[in-house]
Amino acid sequence: GESVGLHLPTLSVQEGDNSIINCAYSNSASDYFIWYKQESGKGPQFIIDIRSNMDKRQGQRVTVLLNKTVKHLSLQIAATQPGDSAVYFCAEIMNRDDKIIFGKGTRLHILP
Amino acid sequence: DVKVTQSSRYLVKRTGEKVFLECVQDMDHENMFWYRQDPGLGLRLIYFSYDVKMKEKGDIPEGYSVSREKKERFSLILESASTNQTSMYLCASSFSGSKNTGELFFGEGSRLTVL
Repeated sequence: GESVGLHLPTLSVQEGDNSIINCAYSNSASDYFIWYKQESGKGPQFIIDIRSNMDKRQGQRVTVLLNKTVKHLSLQIAATQPGDSAVYFCAEIMNRDDKIIFGKGTRLHILP
Repeated sequence: DVKVTQSSRYLVKRTGEKVFLECVQDMDHENMFWYRQDPGLGLRLIYFSYDVKMKEKGDIPEGYSVSREKKERFSLILESASTNQTSMYLCASSFSGSKNTGELFFGEGSRLTVL
């Protein structure tokens, strides 16, 4: 079965607030984690990644946190906008040429 | 920009028909993948390929086959479509080796309905 999963299937956030999307993984040998965003009617798109030797990585309005002690990954989106409405997937790989294992996804709803 | 193109966005087929889903990428990627996406199940890997004429089974290969005759093209074949193969099919590609950042580039998806 999949080793990557998400705590919540849906998340509703007020526009302008920060969003936090969580992910649990079970394979401690995974050395690379990625977040993807999938908008309605489109394929998933890469957002940000983090290596297992890092705890935090920041991008534009997004931050990924990795807690290896509890095997937890989170994606934080600052000042959530309507365009952030999508399904977000976490994914893990053991090395860069292995297949990627995806979590089941969290749908982010933006409330006006 | 990387472009992964899937030949059909929407298909409707009948049970028992043979179905071809085509995928072409224009970035000279070595790796190509086929996933299916179903509500509540996320993305599941069907087959992947690391090079021309090479193929590897993913997590759910039963009922599917693939073909990689050219580097840029990866085809998914349903020899005899069944209703449980109604799904969204996503093709993806990536570099391999030192150029591989782990990022997959996805197509827009092909939504297949089998009646």
